[in-house]
Amino acid sequence: QVQLVESGGDLVQPGGSLRLSCAASGINFSDYFMSWIRQAPGKGLDWVSYISSSSDYTNYADSVKGRFTISRDNAKNSLYLQMNSLRAEDTAVYYCVSLKYDLDYFDYWGQGTLVTVSS
Amino acid sequence: SSELTQDPAVSVALGQTVRITCQGDSLRTFYASWYQQKPGQAPILVIYGQNNRPSGIPDRFSGSNSGNTASLTITGAQTEDEADYFCNSRDSSGLHLVFGGGTKLTVL
Repeated sequence: QVQLVESGGDLVQPGGSLRLSCAASGINFSDYFMSWIRQAPGKGLDWVSYISSSSDYTNYADSVKGRFTISRDNAKNSLYLQMNSLRAEDTAVYYCVSLKYDLDYFDYWGQGTLVTVSS
Repeated sequence: SSELTQDPAVSVALGQTVRITCQGDSLRTFYASWYQQKPGQAPILVIYGQNNRPSGIPDRFSGSNSGNTASLTITGAQTEDEADYFCNSRDSSGLHLVFGGGTKLTVL
């Protein structure tokens, strides 16, 4: 079955950096657009970024553009999110999610990794 | 505030039908997808495209679209349907993906 397993979440100070990883199995990873979606404690879902299957196209929410960088390694079936200049409002569970770009829906979700930005 | 608007909470009697709506200008152009999230769990996809259910989603879940409104209908709601439901589509520019604020469904 499909598994998306996130890692890298941690407590970090404001202004700090963190790199999230997602290991995929059970899917042909190189065929999929991939995305990061976050959820602040007790709040709704917030799309962060997506990357095309071959890494030639990326897209970011305005709230993270210029601070976060999405990337992937198809040889390792892995997705990444480099987060710089972190703010308190970036505190959330970050989900690794596969994206069906032609119809704009997210089909497979990981269990999430918690990022806490606090001094 | 989100470009997709959902009612914060809806309730339904056990076995009855409930409609959860999502409003936004982008829905005149783009499909909505729907996600169910139970406490402490990751969301799961329940409806996508015009009205498609992933494998394993009961057929009591259906979707529809009219103008700027997308709807998720549960026909014969069960106790296990009690959850938060989120819609998703593009924003009004068409460039970014956005979620509605979510609807908490209570089954009475």
